[in-house]
Amino acid sequence: GAGVSQSPRYKVAKRGQDVALRCDPISGHVSLFWYQQALGQGPEFLTYFQNEAQLDKSGLPSDRFFAERPEGSVSTLKIQRTQQEDSAVYLCASSFSLASYNEQFFGPGTRLTVL
Amino acid sequence: GIQVEQSPPDLILQEGANSTLRCNFSDSVNNLQWFHQNPWGQLINLFYIPSGTKQNGRLSATTVATERYSLLYISSSQTTDSGVYFCAVPSGANSKLTFGKGITLSVRP
Repeated sequence: GAGVSQSPRYKVAKRGQDVALRCDPISGHVSLFWYQQALGQGPEFLTYFQNEAQLDKSGLPSDRFFAERPEGSVSTLKIQRTQQEDSAVYLCASSFSLASYNEQFFGPGTRLTVL
Repeated sequence: GIQVEQSPPDLILQEGANSTLRCNFSDSVNNLQWFHQNPWGQLINLFYIPSGTKQNGRLSATTVATERYSLLYISSSQTTDSGVYFCAVPSGANSKLTFGKGITLSVRP
């Protein structure tokens, strides 16, 4: 597709369940980013990839969060043993390269609600 | 890390009015992006503007990099302009974006 796509758009999980969120970046974009947006706040960085390499995961809030991009295109963000504080919108973005001057383009997000 | 401040936090306009949204940042940058987040949560790219001025229809933006601020102008506002406006800059040499807290704009008919 022409833009970044994410699935599912909405996810409701019971506390303690594992969830997996998918991101399809723009074709040809080597860099992929995950952000978390809490209600009423701006997005906050979680992790990023250049191709299949995860170069920075400093924003992941706990070891329950894990991201992968095994073939350098589609990425999955996995949250194990979900907690209520994980409820947020998870946004994926891609850019042509990792250079900081590159424009990032965002997907529609996945809204996660943990009950 | 870099700090990003947006003002005002909230803005209410009558349809047809003009407005200016401001973004201040604490360090020099080589990238600045303005986004509009619609009611469905989608972040829509408005401008990529590390410096200078750009215009797109009723919207325009100016970034004065040496003074570390950017302005987004909305002219003849419409109800569809409602939503949250974010500016974002990269953190140092790293390309991860730091966002401001956003400006919530409500345009009333």
